[in-house]
Amino acid sequence: NAGVTQTPKFRVLKTGQSMTLLCAQDMNHEYMYWYRQDPGMGLRLIHYSVGEGTTAKGEVPDGYNVSRLKKQNFLLGLESAAPSQTSVYFCASRGLLLSYEQYFGPGTRLTVT
Amino acid sequence: DAKTTQPPSMDCAEGRAANLPCNHSTISGNEYVYWYRQIHSQGPQYIIHGLKNNETNEMASLIITEDRKSSTLILPHATLRDTAVYYCIGSWGKFQFGAGTQVVVTP
Repeated sequence: NAGVTQTPKFRVLKTGQSMTLLCAQDMNHEYMYWYRQDPGMGLRLIHYSVGEGTTAKGEVPDGYNVSRLKKQNFLLGLESAAPSQTSVYFCASRGLLLSYEQYFGPGTRLTVT
Repeated sequence: DAKTTQPPSMDCAEGRAANLPCNHSTISGNEYVYWYRQIHSQGPQYIIHGLKNNETNEMASLIITEDRKSSTLILPHATLRDTAVYYCIGSWGKFQFGAGTQVVVTP
């Protein structure tokens, strides 16, 4: 099992450009999450999904869109990137039961100039 | 998700036990208490979780008070590799992380 993978690992964007971050999991997990982490700060939840075809907003959803068309994939889109979105983005997944823990991907480091 | 409060930092001597407190006074009955840690810029790593009873695994022990308003993560014999940010989360599924506790283990 690869666990949770994220593509790409690094990316530099210019202000106003768009991009999509891909998160994939091979553990048949129901829940998937997108977080951002700014330097010296904790993780903040952007969006999450409780199953295929569903999405919900987290703490900091503005400027991001997500889609969960397939159970194993969770996409995070930036339509018009801003320097404030420079951050490390982590994806996570977990199983359905309340007692299950999250598994995290390695992160995507995004810089917007 | 329950709001959690943790001290921003703490030091621990190598080989000694590290006791990390967490306050989660608003936790609801179906919310588990989870602990994760993050070493440098890696993805967070799961440590342990519990609902009402104390729990122990190969990494740590979790002590939850009877009223479930607080908990303590115990690293029994801290090593230099335990230097990390430790996060306490009270969650049914949303998993909102706070600022965590920066633990520094010194020789």
